[in-house]
Parts: sequence; C-alpha cells; structure tokens
Amino acid sequence: EVQLEESGGGLVQPGGSLRLSCVGSGFTFSRFEMNWVRQAPGKGLEWLSYITGRGNTVFYADSVKGRFTVSRDNAKNSLYLQMNSLRAEDTAMYYCAREYDSSSAHGYWGQGTLVTVSS
Amino acid sequence: EMVMTQSPATLSVSPGERATLSCRASQSVYSNLAWYQQQPGQAPRLLIYGASSRATGIPARFSGTGSGTEFTLTISSLQSEDFAIYYCQQYTNWPWTFGQGTKVEIK
Repeated sequence: EVQLEESGGGLVQPGGSLRLSCVGSGFTFSRFEMNWVRQAPGKGLEWLSYITGRGNTVFYADSVKGRFTVSRDNAKNSLYLQMNSLRAEDTAMYYCAREYDSSSAHGYWGQGTLVTVSS
Repeated sequence: EMVMTQSPATLSVSPGERATLSCRASQSVYSNLAWYQQQPGQAPRLLIYGASSRATGIPARFSGTGSGTEFTLTISSLQSEDFAIYYCQQYTNWPWTFGQGTKVEIK
C-alpha cells in the first residue's frame, strides 16, 4: 500500500524558515515524480513544486520561486521542502503527492502538515 | 500562467440526480487534465486523469470528458458520499494549476 506522511509543520514567525519532510512507503520511491501542494484555510488547492524521481529536474509555482526549494533523498525515501522568507500568506496545509503510475496526475497524497506563519 | 476556470462555483443537487461540472483552460492542455474530490478535513483524492480515465477504485458513476480547453466531470447518480468539493488540474504547462473548485451540495 502506498503511503505518504508529511512532518515538519508548525508555527513560525514572518521571515522565518521551516523544512517539511515527506516519507514514502509501499513503493519504490526513486521511480516516481513527487509534488508539493498547499491549501490555505478555507481556500482551494495550490500546486507548489515538482521534482523528478532522480531529483535532477524541479519546477515551482511563481508564488514560491526563489523562496522554497524542493529536494529528495531516495536512500531515505524522503521528499523535502525548504521554505525560507515565510510570509503570512504561506499559512496553509502542505501536502506531498506522488504521480499516478504513468500519469503526472497526483494519485497519492499524504494527510498534510500545517504551517502557520504568524508573529 | 495557465488559468483553469471551474463552473459553477456551487452546484445544488438532490441525491440520485446527475451532476455536471465544467472546467475550462485558458489555452489547450490537450488531455493532461485531472479531477480530484476533497471531503472536509481530508486530503484530495484523484478521480480522473488523462481527462477521461478513472483512477483505481473510482466508481463508474464518475466520468470525465473533453480535450483541449473544455472538460466535464459527470456524476451520473449522486450518492451521499459524493457531496464534496471538486477540483480540476492541468499538468501540461508549468506551473501546473488547479481550478478554484466546485462545491457539490445537497439540494
């Protein structure tokens, strides 16, 4: 069974940093593209970033480009999101999501980790 | 950035009735279009990928059609568990983008 579990969320002050982690199990982690998606309270879904299985290609939403960095450690079955220069508008539930077999659609999701940016 | 526009924002439907949700892309996404369902307090769930293929375990009452810029998600006979928010997403052009969602509520 494919499972994804995020961690690392919490309360951080504006301008601060946070590193999210996502551990995958039940599949060969290195073979799959991974994404980060967030959802602000009461709002819709926002795609944030993408990384290939080998980690050699990444893409970002304009809203986080230059502030957030996605990476992965396939030996640890782990995906990361380094978030710097955090703003109040970054407050959201952050989900990691795996591609669905041969499609880039997000077929498997974690339960999310909540990030709150506030002084 | 490609804009995905969903309509209507809210759809009121009685159980057992048909629901038709629309998603329009600001430029062609070919068939690289997914639909997700989200229940309150839960992570999204993939329903449809490639515009018309059902994900594993998704009931046959869910169907997706369309290509290019116009897409439709149809729920043929609404069950109680189908009342939720539905999002479309394009995965053709970077950055990938979601629509703003359609809430399907009980009439």
